[in-house]
Amino acid sequence: ETGVTQTPRHLVMGMTNKKSLKCEQHLGHNAMYWYKQSAKKPLELMFVYSLEERVENNSVPSRFSPECPNSSHLFLHLHTLQPEDSALYLCASSQVWGQVDTQYFGPGTRLTVL
Amino acid sequence: AQKITQTQPGMFVQEKEAVTLDCTYDTSDQSYGLFWYKQPSSGEMIFLIYQGSYDEQNATEGRYSLNFQKARKSANLVISASQLGDSAMYFCAMREGRGSNSGYALNFGKGTSLLVTP
Repeated sequence: ETGVTQTPRHLVMGMTNKKSLKCEQHLGHNAMYWYKQSAKKPLELMFVYSLEERVENNSVPSRFSPECPNSSHLFLHLHTLQPEDSALYLCASSQVWGQVDTQYFGPGTRLTVL
Repeated sequence: AQKITQTQPGMFVQEKEAVTLDCTYDTSDQSYGLFWYKQPSSGEMIFLIYQGSYDEQNATEGRYSLNFQKARKSANLVISASQLGDSAMYFCAMREGRGSNSGYALNFGKGTSLLVTP
């Protein structure tokens, strides 16, 4: 595997379900990110982890719970979601302190909440 | 206030022609980075090109070049010799400042949809 991978690619869940999104980066980076992309809206940053420590949480509802067990893996745990949470969820990674801290994205998980 | 403005919701270009996608930004930081990404219908956000605020030369990557005009706060993407596979959404993004151990959040524009026609 190369780059940033995300599973599953598609997810349909009911409002009472609990599910998790997984992201894995194979780039040796030290920061990972979750973004939400809704229709007709710019990408919104949800969470940032740097050196496995959460450094930014942009007022995301508590029904979204991130977890970063190590520098290569990032999870987004979902529970009691709302239909308006349906969106494309993108994971990214970067090397902070590097000369160019470009963020590389995974293919995304397209989530539908019924 | 919006930090990244992309004023062209949609653009058409004929195959083999060049096209310019506009991007203006707003920041009071002296150190910042500007990025362009391509997003095909599959959803993946593909990094294209980067320009640092202190870079004196315009960035180029293959058929992509960035027309960086610092005084105007613009960072337009130029795609030369367009190909059918270039049809996608294109996003301009900015990272402000240069922190210490924090992650660097990107501010994205709303994107421009490019359609390349035969």
